[in-house]
Amino acid sequence: DAKTTQPPSMDCAEGRAANLPCNHSTISGNEYVYWYRQIHSQGPQYIIHGLKNNETNEMASLIITEDRKSSTLILPHATLRDTAVYYCIVRLNHGSGNTGKLIFGQGTTLQVKP
Amino acid sequence: DAGVTQSPTHLIKTRGQQVTLRCSPKSGHDTVSWYQQALGQGPQFIFQYYEEEERQRGNFPDRFSGHQFPNYSSELNVNALLLGDSALYLCASSPQTGPTYEQYFGPGTRLTVT
Repeated sequence: DAKTTQPPSMDCAEGRAANLPCNHSTISGNEYVYWYRQIHSQGPQYIIHGLKNNETNEMASLIITEDRKSSTLILPHATLRDTAVYYCIVRLNHGSGNTGKLIFGQGTTLQVKP
Repeated sequence: DAGVTQSPTHLIKTRGQQVTLRCSPKSGHDTVSWYQQALGQGPQFIFQYYEEEERQRGNFPDRFSGHQFPNYSSELNVNALLLGDSALYLCASSPQTGPTYEQYFGPGTRLTVT
């Protein structure tokens, strides 16, 4: 699985968009980009994933560059409850001989401030 | 619909003892993965169970073992506890088939070894 690089911490004002970057320059063609977050004292929570196209769901948007070497997770209107550690993970999907295990890095600690 | 549940919530053990942690997967999920999360670190994959067999294992010693039951619930056993085994132990469940492949995490069991 390709490695990812994320800034250790970021701040964001409440109500503003939070843009969390991730570098994955060694990503291979059949690897997906996944984002999870972990709110203090809870288990990680799935946010979104994508292969090459931009994706949006009720929680966030995922923008993947055309060369797929980096991506950005966007929380459009951050709230205090979005304060968490955000993990960017690159992995194969099921059906590719992959068990779906997740390899977590250190993640980005996002602090949303009032 | 109950999500992933884990028991106990907290546990304190002494070095050299043995511990068993339990996990019930989300309804409809048949695959269970276990992760260890040391303080300030991202979760580390221990192993995954499917069809009552260990399908993949991370870089953990044989002191860590597991089991999956016919109802898909799972146990994680750790023998000869070391101080370094103190961590949050997370269980995650996922379906083998279906359109989405995100793993659903439980709240974790906090193990303290003294």
